[in-house]
Amino acid sequence: DQQVKQNSPSLSVQEGRISILNCDYTNSMFDYFLWYKKYPAEGPTFLISISSIKDKNEDGRFTVFLNKSAKHLSLHIVPSQPGDSAVYFCAASGNYGGATNKLIFGTGTLLAVQP
Amino acid sequence: DSGVTQTPKHLITATGQRVTLRCSPRSGDLSVYWYQQSLDQGLQFLIQYYNGEERAKGNILERFSAQQFPDLHSELNLSSLELGDSALYFCASSHRGLGDEQYFGPGTRLTVT
Repeated sequence: DQQVKQNSPSLSVQEGRISILNCDYTNSMFDYFLWYKKYPAEGPTFLISISSIKDKNEDGRFTVFLNKSAKHLSLHIVPSQPGDSAVYFCAASGNYGGATNKLIFGTGTLLAVQP
Repeated sequence: DSGVTQTPKHLITATGQRVTLRCSPRSGDLSVYWYQQSLDQGLQFLIQYYNGEERAKGNILERFSAQQFPDLHSELNLSSLELGDSALYFCASSHRGLGDEQYFGPGTRLTVT
């Protein structure tokens, strides 16, 4: 049962344009969402997060939007740069009785930014 | 550089063997997490420790065990290895273990032949 879904395995965008990566979740217990970027042969790198009490969080070129009613979040990258080319993972953690913030990951979206 | 270190980077071993993967968290982080990334799956949560105590378990096989030591480094022990255990194993750390970001190490690539 995939609780966090990234339905687009890949996305190709021109340099300077907007990249929009999408993520859907099914577990209403999730209250904290994160995006990670991963290059080959490296560990995931934290990008940006959002709490369920917010619907938007912005950090430089990266903005995450959360639509709780639709159980959907998205990551916008503006403007996209070739160095943004990587696999992007959406992750969620929830209220597991206050004991843990283990992350449930999506399967990732490979973003290719074309020069 | 996330500040999380993992050793070794690569490990090749035979079926039936036992290996130990090591992780040192970022300075000041009390919580350590282990994740497995197989070829056909995303990152799967295995286990979390907080300040030396087990905090949560995920899809961790009984052949696998972990511990966190007083100096907060952690080890993941994998025994009776099978071909299907070949994967990338990531360690992550966070300061408190609740509501904060996790920072990942570079991973250990395990190949079981």
